[in-house]
Amino acid sequence: AQKITQTQPGMFVQEKEAVTLDCTYDTSDQSYGLFWYKQPSSGEMIFLIYQGSYDEQNATEGRYSLNFQKARKSANLVISASQLGDSAMYFCAASGFQKLVFGTGTRLLVSP
Amino acid sequence: NAGVTQTPKFQVLKTGQSMTLQCAQDMNHEYMSWYRQDPGMGLRLIHYSVGAGITDQGEVPNGYNVSRSTTEDFPLRLLSAAPSQTSVYFCASRPGGYDEQYFGPGTRLTVT
Repeated sequence: AQKITQTQPGMFVQEKEAVTLDCTYDTSDQSYGLFWYKQPSSGEMIFLIYQGSYDEQNATEGRYSLNFQKARKSANLVISASQLGDSAMYFCAASGFQKLVFGTGTRLLVSP
Repeated sequence: NAGVTQTPKFQVLKTGQSMTLQCAQDMNHEYMSWYRQDPGMGLRLIHYSVGAGITDQGEVPNGYNVSRSTTEDFPLRLLSAAPSQTSVYFCASRPGGYDEQYFGPGTRLTVT
């Protein structure tokens, strides 16, 4: 079974600065995937980035990168050059072969 | 492709009533899941399915039933609604165990 911990209920960042959202995971699976999703105030779930447990390089997607430290079981999301539209809830998730489970989320507020 | 569709968008039930939340996907995904989202709790997995005819319980299955007779459809049945089931319900699908998950728009359910 997977367990995801996001210890930051809320984060503040100024526009154009970088921010790191923390995520640690616990899983007994040898092979797993790590995901980040964004949920704006409108409520939809938007996929941001994926990291496979056997991927040696950190995943990147535009301004998003996933800082994967397997030994520490952490999968932090880094958002570079924050924009006002990045204000949202961010969820970390992990999948084993069958289940995909989520953390409790971090609310990010980007100020001008 | 319509993606993942959910009906209804909103529903109000009285305690003790039963109802079915509908979910359908047209992407031929094998994996489908139901989550509920409560404030401060993130998304919690209710039930999931890894293919037609195969379902299993997630983190919070009590009070809910599912079945998967076709690849496309994965309805969630509330047997006897309780105020504690007031929540936003998301259906999701993905091709395989380590793939990106696609979400429906959600159903906001209120039980009075």
